[in-house]
Amino acid sequence: AQSVTQLDSQVPVFEEVPVELRCNYSSSVSVYLFWYVQYPNQGLQLLLKYLSGSTLVKGINGFEAEFNKSQTSFHLRKPSVHISDTAEYFCAVSGDSGYSTLTFGKGTMLLVSP
Amino acid sequence: KAGVTQTPRYLIKTRGQQVTLSCSPISGHRSVSWYQQTPGQGLQFLFEYFSETQRNKGNFPGRFSGRQFSNSRSEMNVSTLELGDSALYLCASVPLGGIVDTQYFGPGTRLTVL
Repeated sequence: AQSVTQLDSQVPVFEEVPVELRCNYSSSVSVYLFWYVQYPNQGLQLLLKYLSGSTLVKGINGFEAEFNKSQTSFHLRKPSVHISDTAEYFCAVSGDSGYSTLTFGKGTMLLVSP
Repeated sequence: KAGVTQTPRYLIKTRGQQVTLSCSPISGHRSVSWYQQTPGQGLQFLFEYFSETQRNKGNFPGRFSGRQFSNSRSEMNVSTLELGDSALYLCASVPLGGIVDTQYFGPGTRLTVL
């Protein structure tokens, strides 16, 4: 079985500073990793995904993530956050079922203040 | 292309009733997955349908069921509602549901059970 751990339930930061949201995964098979963002009263939007190849993945809105197989991590980073980045961020993994079914972490609420 | 649509967006029911939620996937997508999102349990996979067949199922009681029609639209049904069924129900549309496919989420249906 696979699982995802998001180490921080909430990350408060000020605008225009760098941020890192941490994600660790556990799986007995090859995994595919995703980061989704959820704004209030909305569904989930894909930020980026790692399938294979380069371990540094760039996504939308200036976000990037690095896949580290030895540390089983897939941390999300942004060099400079904006108030509009305030949202909940979910790390997810697929691969266990043979289909696109996702196993999600509990989410990290990013709170950006002016 | 139009995105994933879910109806209704909000629903209030009482314990013991049953409810049906609807999801229309992105045109051309043949796989639909359903997830339940609650503050306590986070995002949990319910089931996935592909070409009118349930292909994958999460760990939920039999009160939760679903189906998919020939046009790929999907419905999920919850019978004998319990207070704990209050949640945001998200539908995800996937081209084929393959292991590396991206899931595109709808805005969700927020179900409140009183």
